[in-house]
Amino acid sequence: AQSVAQPEDQVNVAEGNPLTVKCTYSVSGNPYLFWYVQYPNRGLQFLLKYITGDNLVKGSYGFEAEFNKSQTSFHLKKPSALVSDSALYFCAVRDGGSTLGRLYFGRGTQLTVWP
Amino acid sequence: DAGVIQSPRHEVTEMGQEVTLRCKPISGHDYLFWYRQTMMRGLELLIYFNNNVPIDDSGMPEDRFSAKMPNASFSTLKIQPSEPRDSAVYFCASSFHGAEDEQYFGPGTRLTVT
Repeated sequence: AQSVAQPEDQVNVAEGNPLTVKCTYSVSGNPYLFWYVQYPNRGLQFLLKYITGDNLVKGSYGFEAEFNKSQTSFHLKKPSALVSDSALYFCAVRDGGSTLGRLYFGRGTQLTVWP
Repeated sequence: DAGVIQSPRHEVTEMGQEVTLRCKPISGHDYLFWYRQTMMRGLELLIYFNNNVPIDDSGMPEDRFSAKMPNASFSTLKIQPSEPRDSAVYFCASSFHGAEDEQYFGPGTRLTVT
C-alpha cells in the first residue's frame, strides 16, 4: 500500500526565517515523490519532484526538498520564507514500479509566514 | 497551452438537481483525474482515466456520481441527484503517461448544493 503522512496540519514561521514542511511516505517499490502548493481559491500547482539521482531536489520559487531513503522522508525546505509563501502544501507519492498513474496525496500542511 | 480547463467555475444548485462538471485536459496528456476537496476530508481521488478508459473508480462516493471521457479532450463528472453533502471543490487534473510525470490541475469547480 502507498501512503503519505504530513504530520503537521499547520506550520508558522516568520518572514526571513528558514521553513520546513515535513512529509514521510510508505511505498513498496521505488518512490516517486512530489510537492504541490495550493493558493486560496486555486488548483494545486506542481513545485518539485524526486525521481532518481541527487537526493536534494530544487524546484520553483526557491523551494527544495531532500529525499531520505532510510527515514522515508521528503521534507520541503526554503532558506528564507516570504509572506507570499503562505499557502497549503501537499506531498504526494507514487510507486515507481507501478503502471498505474495515480498519486497518493497527504492531507496537506497550511504554511503561514508572518511579516 | 491554456492548461486544464474546467467549467463552470462556480455552481449553485438545489438538492435533487442534476449537476454536470466539465473538464478539458492538456492536449497530449494520457491521464485524467477527478478529485474532490473539502475541509473535512481533504483531497480525495474520485476516478481516473487512461487513454479515455476508466481505470479506478473506487473513490466515487456512490451511484449518484458518474464520469465519462468520450474523447481525449473532454470529460464530465455528473451528480444525479445532488445532495448538500456533495458541496465541495471539484478538481480535474491531467498528466502525461510516464510514472515520472506530474499532474496538472485545473482551477476547480466550487459546487454548492442547498
